[in-house]
Amino acid sequence: QKEVEQDPGPLSVPEGAIVSLNCTYSNSAFQYFMWYRQYSRKGPELLMYTYSSGNKEDGRFTAQVDKSSKYISLFIRDSQPSDSATYLCAPLGLFTGGGNKLTFGTGTQLKVEL
Amino acid sequence: NAGVTQTPKFQVLKTGQSMTLQCAQDMNHNSMYWYRQDPGMGLRLIYYSASEGTTDKGEVPNGYNVSRLNKREFSLRLESAAPSQTSVYFCASTPTVNTEAFFGQGTRLTVV
Repeated sequence: QKEVEQDPGPLSVPEGAIVSLNCTYSNSAFQYFMWYRQYSRKGPELLMYTYSSGNKEDGRFTAQVDKSSKYISLFIRDSQPSDSATYLCAPLGLFTGGGNKLTFGTGTQLKVEL
Repeated sequence: NAGVTQTPKFQVLKTGQSMTLQCAQDMNHNSMYWYRQDPGMGLRLIYYSASEGTTDKGEVPNGYNVSRLNKREFSLRLESAAPSQTSVYFCASTPTVNTEAFFGQGTRLTVV
């Protein structure tokens, strides 16, 4: 079983729609949960992150973590064409030798159409 | 601010050739990483360096070697390239634990 599972999409929605992106994970030791956004032919960039269970809101974006079910969600309200990108969930762990263990989902490709 | 710089951006190799992908960060970060990204596979960790002087294998290390030359630089070497190593390679760095990763722009490698 992979540590992080994510539906690869592609997901196509009309402008203004509410988008829900989801991941599941298997390692209960994960404490930080990050979402990265990757535009075509670019490196990923951190969009937002949450610590432990609960919600975190940043403008049109809301990250939600349910540690009891090991389920991570990212909601995008009033989606815009500029939100078209691949979204990768990344629960954060630690290597025993130090350093961050970034385990990425496959990424969900989102296209917001006019 | 340059951030994480990867060279080259594009490369075509013949099977059996060798090459080194270079990565440098100017943010004084402790940890550096090499990932490969393939369609439907996400980002898979090849090697990482938790701190200067240390390197460790990730999920898919076979066919690769790395060198943490100093705190700034972390190189990835393909000794004998194979078509299965055709991919987009990303270098990343993090300052400390529990912090975000900063990625380079990627190297698109094709092995024919």
